[in-house]
Amino acid sequence: NAGVMQNPRHLVRRRGQEARLRCSPMKGHSHVYWYRQLPEEGLKFMVYLQKENIIDESGMPKERFSAEFPKEGPSILRIQQVVRGDSAAYFCASSPLLQGEDMNTEAFFGQGTRLTVV
Amino acid sequence: TQLLEQSPQFLSIQEGENLTVYCNSSSVFSSLQWYRQEPGEGPVLLVTVVTGGEVKKLKRLTFQFGDARKDSSLHITAAQPGDTGLYLCAGGGAGNNRKLIWGLGTSLAVNP
Repeated sequence: NAGVMQNPRHLVRRRGQEARLRCSPMKGHSHVYWYRQLPEEGLKFMVYLQKENIIDESGMPKERFSAEFPKEGPSILRIQQVVRGDSAAYFCASSPLLQGEDMNTEAFFGQGTRLTVV
Repeated sequence: TQLLEQSPQFLSIQEGENLTVYCNSSSVFSSLQWYRQEPGEGPVLLVTVVTGGEVKKLKRLTFQFGDARKDSSLHITAAQPGDTGLYLCAGGGAGNNRKLIWGLGTSLAVNP
């Protein structure tokens, strides 16, 4: 019964390179969320996706960042032309499809990808 | 902007002591989750509370959601070194607003 799987666990990129972070949700989960965590700022929402659809990207920087959740395969968070300020832990979470007015936002997290930009 | 404030920020206690940590907001949430995070790992869900005044127990942990659904508390009885970690609260919306708003956490150290 695999949980949320993220890879790689650690990623080192030079300034200007691209970073690709992958997330496979828990079996049966159709919602994926990406969060960024910095030591003094806590977890910040970036984007919420369903299969082939971005639902809420209000936390995504307008430039260089993009996310997708294709019909087949993992969700990808892509950061182009990375800068030192992108260094952080990036967490993916997933939740099942819930029906009804009382559905809540309970989510299960992966172990994260720690991105270091040098 | 919705904010969640957690207190205390740091807590160091001896094994066997009781403790309470708090999560407060001026905003109403449709649900509130408590997570525990250990260094180098992702947050692990402990409990979800959805009803104002709700109390949930998980072994030695007792979680309470405020009547107005703006605040929550976590009480640990007879703390053990294995309880050491960062305790995070996160408030959730409803409908398509499914993103979680996070507090900065309470870092708990339980000394043997």
